[in-house]
Amino acid sequence: AQSVTQPDIHITVSEGASLELRCNYSYGATPYLFWYVQSPGQGLQLLLKYFSGDTLVQGIKGFEAEFKRSQSSFNLRKPSVHWSDAAEYFCAVGAYFGNEKLTFGTGTRLTIIP
Amino acid sequence: DSGVTQTPKHLITATGQRVTLRCSPRSGDLSVYWYQQSLDQGLQFLIQYYNGEERAKGNILERFSAQQFPDLHSELNLSSLELGDSALYFCASSVEDRDYNEQFFGPGTRLTVL
Repeated sequence: AQSVTQPDIHITVSEGASLELRCNYSYGATPYLFWYVQSPGQGLQLLLKYFSGDTLVQGIKGFEAEFKRSQSSFNLRKPSVHWSDAAEYFCAVGAYFGNEKLTFGTGTRLTIIP
Repeated sequence: DSGVTQTPKHLITATGQRVTLRCSPRSGDLSVYWYQQSLDQGLQFLIQYYNGEERAKGNILERFSAQQFPDLHSELNLSSLELGDSALYFCASSVEDRDYNEQFFGPGTRLTVL
């Protein structure tokens, strides 16, 4: 079964600084990988997704992520964070087939300081 | 706004009771997914319906059941509620039943069991 690890529970970044959120996955084949963001009191919004092809994927709100098969990682990056980026970020892996759909990591809470 | 609606937004009930959560997918989406988000378990996939039929099951308890109606809205029924069932329940929808179709999440129903 697939699994996702987000090793950082909470990250604090200054506004304007760069950001990298870590995600490691475990899956037997090429996975579908996703990053979702959850603002307080809100549902989940898809930031970006990787299925195949170019390993650097661009998403909404200026986010990007890089798929590294050798490291089983799919880290999320943003060159300059804004106060509105404060939220909870979830990495997820999806299977091609089978009974398990999206498997989420435990999330990373991002705090932005002025 | 994802286009997925969930009612009610909040629900407070007592142990042993039964509740029904409702989800209306985006217009045109045939697939509905239910997820549970709790502090100890994180975000977990519960069950998926596609065009009225159960398609996949995840970590759903026997006390929980769901269905998708001809108009494609879905209901999640939770019975014999326990304190540990307190969580945020998300519904998501997608056009088809494959993982690489983006899942659009509703705002969630927060269930509190006292």
